[in-house]
Amino acid sequence: GEDVEQSLFLSVREGDSSVINCTYTDSSSTYLYWYKQEPGAGLQLLTYIFSNMDMKQDQRLTVLLNKKDKHLSLRIADTQTGDSAIYFCAESIKGAAGNKLTFGGGTRVLVKP
Amino acid sequence: KAGVTQTPRYLIKTRGQQVTLSCSPISGHRSVSWYQQTPGQGLQFLFEYFSETQRNKGNFPGRFSGRQFSNSRSEMNVSTLELGDSALYLCASSLDGASGNTIYFGEGSWLTVV
Repeated sequence: GEDVEQSLFLSVREGDSSVINCTYTDSSSTYLYWYKQEPGAGLQLLTYIFSNMDMKQDQRLTVLLNKKDKHLSLRIADTQTGDSAIYFCAESIKGAAGNKLTFGGGTRVLVKP
Repeated sequence: KAGVTQTPRYLIKTRGQQVTLSCSPISGHRSVSWYQQTPGQGLQFLFEYFSETQRNKGNFPGRFSGRQFSNSRSEMNVSTLELGDSALYLCASSLDGASGNTIYFGEGSWLTVV
């Protein structure tokens, strides 16, 4: 079955790197997404990766995937105060009709100046 | 190009009433899905529409329904509102709903039931 887990909270100093972790349980081929949600706003797509990849980098964002452990991480380099938000990882099963996303509970990231 | 547009952004309804929420997907996108976000349950999938057909449905009661029009715009309806329906309702659009598509969300509609 599908289950996505995330840690609840992360506090980081401005300028440091943030690492947000996520585990998923579905053994099917899957796409894994990272979204950011600021207060009162919708979900902003940050990046996504297919489960046959190990890593994806996009500017300050690096996604690492450990397929054996079904562990996904999002690293934000040089974290800024504007990065304070809730981050969600989500899983979409390849081949499943309707592109249903299963979300983790979200990690609240607080960036301290 | 314009993103996913949801209306209204905020609304307050009374228990027992019904509500209709609207979503306009990104131009060219034909798949629209809906999610409910609450503090207790997190983000949960409601349903997905493609070419005016519902292809997938989450575990919600029949009071939650939706439809999609020929221009890909979608509406969702909640009848006989309960206090527990208070939530942020998010609409997402993608090209054709195939897995691996980039999936973009709107700003959401905040529903408060009193």
